[in-house]
Amino acid sequence: AQSVAQPEDQVNVAEGNPLTVKCTYSVSGNPYLFWYVQYPNRGLQFLLKYITGDNLVKGSYGFEAEFNKSQTSFHLKKPSALVSDSALYFCAVRAALISSGSARQLTFGSGTQLTVLP
Amino acid sequence: DTGVSQDPRHKITKRGQNVTFRCDPISEHNRLYWYRQTLGQGPEFLTYFQNEAQLEKSRLLSDRFSAERPKGSFSTLEIQRTEQGDSAMYLCASSFERMNTEAFFGQGTRLTVV
Repeated sequence: AQSVAQPEDQVNVAEGNPLTVKCTYSVSGNPYLFWYVQYPNRGLQFLLKYITGDNLVKGSYGFEAEFNKSQTSFHLKKPSALVSDSALYFCAVRAALISSGSARQLTFGSGTQLTVLP
Repeated sequence: DTGVSQDPRHKITKRGQNVTFRCDPISEHNRLYWYRQTLGQGPEFLTYFQNEAQLEKSRLLSDRFSAERPKGSFSTLEIQRTEQGDSAMYLCASSFERMNTEAFFGQGTRLTVV
């Protein structure tokens, strides 16, 4: 079975400071990893993904994420936070190859509420 | 607007009533997913279609839930004999067939069972 852990329910950071939102995963074989953001009463918006290649992935709105295979992590980062980045962030995983222990759908973490303080 | 569209955005219903939600995916996407999201939780997978075939169903999808995707285009999710525990946001997403592509989500239907 595949799973995602987001160990922090809440992350607070001052505007202009760097931010990190943590994610670890479990999946059979190689992973495809995704970050989504959700604003209140809205659906999820895609931010970035790791498929293969460079471990540092760049995405929308200045966000990036670093894939670490040995630590099974995919932390989301941004060098300088904005108040408008305040939202709920979800990490998700899918197995690269379908096998008896994997699933076609995305499996999400429980989310991390990011608050950027002015 | 070429994104994923869901209707209605909000639904309030009395316990025991049936409800039906509609999802219109991005037109060239052949995969369609339904998820349920409760407050403070991440989306939980319900079911997925490839074209018109329903290929996978979660154990969360009790026999009161049914989903269809006739002709591989729009999809409907019906909940029969609603219960208060069904209150949640129901999200639809679509994607291309390749496993490495991201899913695009609609804005969801918020169901409140009173």
